[in-house]
Amino acid sequence: GDSVTQMEGPVTLSEEAFLTINCTYTATGYPSLFWYVQYPGEGLQLLLKATKADDKGSNKGFEATYRKETTSFHLEKGSVQVSDSAVYFCALSEDSGYSTLTFGKGTMLLVSP
Amino acid sequence: NAGVTQTPKFQVLKTGQSMTLQCAQDMNHEYMSWYRQDPGMGLRLIHYSVGAGITDQGEVPNGYNVSRSTTEDFPLRLLSAAPSQTSVYFCAVTGGGRVAGYTFGSGTRLTVV
Repeated sequence: GDSVTQMEGPVTLSEEAFLTINCTYTATGYPSLFWYVQYPGEGLQLLLKATKADDKGSNKGFEATYRKETTSFHLEKGSVQVSDSAVYFCALSEDSGYSTLTFGKGTMLLVSP
Repeated sequence: NAGVTQTPKFQVLKTGQSMTLQCAQDMNHEYMSWYRQDPGMGLRLIHYSVGAGITDQGEVPNGYNVSRSTTEDFPLRLLSAAPSQTSVYFCAVTGGGRVAGYTFGSGTRLTVV
């Protein structure tokens, strides 16, 4: 079945540091890929997405590129802020009529001033 | 425009009690789903629905019941609560998951004692 593997956290960075959160996936079809963010005490918000190979999703300074050859969708940001502290989830959705989401376990990011 | 509304936000149950978690959407989306979030486990799919009158099981359906009589509402029922059902529950909707992404409710934190 489908699966998503993320690097374990917490990831602890100082403000303005470079961020990478690794995500790899296994899928039988040709999935769409997503990054969701969850701030403390809140639900999940869609951060960015990519629907085909070599697509780059971007939002709020975050970027991720759909790499079919390495089955990866790593999240990057050039300069993190304290307000980026949250849990980040990588997820995929297969190309099927039901469109269910398969999530990774999440990576907590802690940014200190 | 509220999007996805979940009630209640918090609930404490005794083992064996029953309750219904409510999810309502005003986005007129066909697809609705329930996830549970547990530490170190990410989000796991409980049940989903692709339209009124149609439901199906996800990864962890045991102990939960659903029905979908309208487009707007997708309640999740716990018939006899167990401590293993202590979790945070999220409802998610989409009009076209593979491309559009999902909108999540703010969650219900359930504790079973």
